[in-house]
Amino acid sequence: DSGVTQTPKHLITATGQRVTLRCSPRSGDLSVYWYQQSLDQGLQFLIQYYNGEERAKGNILERFSAQQFPDLHSELNLSSLELGDSALYFCASSVGTSEVDTQYFGPGTRLTVL
Amino acid sequence: AQSVTQPDIHITVSEGASLELRCNYSYGATPYLFWYVQSPGQGLQLLLKYFSGDTLVQGIKGFEAEFKRSQSSFNLRKPSVHWSDAAEYFCAVGTNYGGSQGNLIFGKGTKLSVKP
Repeated sequence: DSGVTQTPKHLITATGQRVTLRCSPRSGDLSVYWYQQSLDQGLQFLIQYYNGEERAKGNILERFSAQQFPDLHSELNLSSLELGDSALYFCASSVGTSEVDTQYFGPGTRLTVL
Repeated sequence: AQSVTQPDIHITVSEGASLELRCNYSYGATPYLFWYVQSPGQGLQLLLKYFSGDTLVQGIKGFEAEFKRSQSSFNLRKPSVHWSDAAEYFCAVGTNYGGSQGNLIFGKGTKLSVKP
């Protein structure tokens, strides 16, 4: 158990819908990262937050957005869902932003878009 | 561009045999390198990481990896594989922004199967 929690574990929805994925980082961790794992693209970085502020963006679609709240939990919002958004979404957290900080991954949320 | 290549998509080894999983990276600066393991239906668990110093890094579960700058490689090894090692293994390079940690760039992964 990494200490990073993600809810829900599974999510099944229809095209065009909107969903919210939630992540609680390890106690004391200030950085949160979101990654998407799909069969064709592999593991890809979406977005990073540090202490409530957006720090870096990767291959995140405009239909996707995220935020980190004052209690440091983070939410990833996916809207106008398409079949291709079906994937495993991971959240990771680290203590800070030092290069030596380890990113700890949550168990993931499996999203299925029908 | 920064990238990580894992040339082997799937490897099968016999239980008790040695294992080497290959990883090559492309990164302009000093790389920060990681190996993660993903068991079926699970998240990613860190096996080991390299930042600097000794190029042979020891990790959990009896794994080790060797950083070779001249070959841009960071191969993962285990002298004797156990059936419980069957999983998917990901090599990653850490990016940084002016000295601060950024995201990880992952390879496509190598799936390890273990024969009894």
